[in-house]
Amino acid sequence: NAGVTQTPKFRVLKTGQSMTLLCAQDMNHEYMYWYRQDPGMGLRLIHYSVGEGTTAKGEVPDGYNVSRLKKQNFLLGLESAAPSQTSVYFCASSYLGGVQETQYFGPGTRLLVL
Amino acid sequence: DAKTTQPNSMESNEEEPVHLPCNHSTISGTDYIHWYRQLPSQGPEYVIHGLTSNVNNRMASLAIAEDRKSSTLILHRATLRDAAVYYCILRDGSSNTGKLIFGQGTTLQVKP
Repeated sequence: NAGVTQTPKFRVLKTGQSMTLLCAQDMNHEYMYWYRQDPGMGLRLIHYSVGEGTTAKGEVPDGYNVSRLKKQNFLLGLESAAPSQTSVYFCASSYLGGVQETQYFGPGTRLLVL
Repeated sequence: DAKTTQPNSMESNEEEPVHLPCNHSTISGTDYIHWYRQLPSQGPEYVIHGLTSNVNNRMASLAIAEDRKSSTLILHRATLRDAAVYYCILRDGSSNTGKLIFGQGTTLQVKP
């Protein structure tokens, strides 16, 4: 049971380049989330999904797109990277979205935009 | 969403108990109190949660004030591995989005 995995672990982009971050979970969870964490800050929710084929905006969605074509995968896309998107990105999943559900987090992807 | 207030940092000695406080004076009746922690260079991990009664699990205990305006996470014997950022998070019981709203948390240092 790998839990939540994220690919890649680290990436350097130039301003204007695009990339996709992949999150995969093997726990058959319905809900998946993308967060970003800037230095010295807590995590902020970018987008989330309550099931295959669905996505919704979180707290800081601008500049990002997401897709959930398969239940086990949640992709985060940056169409035109900006230095302000330099951050650590965490993916998480939970079985459902109820208030007592535990979220399981991946190890993170460090992104540097020059 | 109701807000939480935590000290920026705390120190503890190894093998001593640690009490991490959290104030949430605007908590509503349906808000659950959750604690997550984030070890260095890792994603957050769940610690414990509760609504009104005190809770215990293998990782920690959660003491909730009678008026629910504050709570305390208790690590009974701190180890070096417990050095982390601890987040106190309120989750709205009437919501099913699963969203977590993270503050800045408390950075716990454990001294050998």
